[in-house]
Amino acid sequence: ETGVTQSPTHLIKTRGQQVTLRCSSQSGHNTVSWYQQALGQGPQFIFQYYREEENGRGNFPPRFSGLQFPNYSSELNVNALELDDSALYLCASSLGPENTEAFFGQGTRLTVV
Amino acid sequence: KNQVEQSPQSLIILEGKNCTLQCNYTVSPFSNLRWYKQDTGRGPVSLTIMTFSENTKSNGRYTATLDADTKQSSLHITASQLSDSASYICVVSARSGYSTLTFGKGTMLLVSP
Repeated sequence: ETGVTQSPTHLIKTRGQQVTLRCSSQSGHNTVSWYQQALGQGPQFIFQYYREEENGRGNFPPRFSGLQFPNYSSELNVNALELDDSALYLCASSLGPENTEAFFGQGTRLTVV
Repeated sequence: KNQVEQSPQSLIILEGKNCTLQCNYTVSPFSNLRWYKQDTGRGPVSLTIMTFSENTKSNGRYTATLDADTKQSSLHITASQLSDSASYICVVSARSGYSTLTFGKGTMLLVSP
């Protein structure tokens, strides 16, 4: 176990809806990164939060947004869901944004129908 | 554009046999290279991390090599076990103010009895 927990583990949403995914980082880690992994593909970087501020963003539209809380847990929000948003969403926590060691959660499997 | 290419895409070996997975990358400026093991539907788990100056690193039956000049890495699995069946992902980190992990698509390994 990595100490990084994500919820929920599985989720089914309808196209056009909004979804919130949650991640609790490993104790002592102040940085959380979110990734989207489509079936058969490697994870793609969505964004990173460091000390409650967005600290970098990948090539994802603004309807993907996030938050980090004072306890360093984080949320990923996706608005106006599209079918292509169906994927495994992974969060990784690390001690600092340079990410010398990143620990991944078990992921949230999102299915958009 | 930063890229990580892995080969083979998939591999089937008999239990007890050895295998080697390959990773080529074009990531700059290079910070470190990691190999992760990902069970289906689960988050990746780190196996090894190597920096520029490291050529070889072992973790039990897993041995990773790195040639920073040719930008190639390999992961050698010795005496394979059924539990080794998983996707093995090569991830390269670039030096940056935030995490810029570039993931390969992974090699799907199936160990057959």
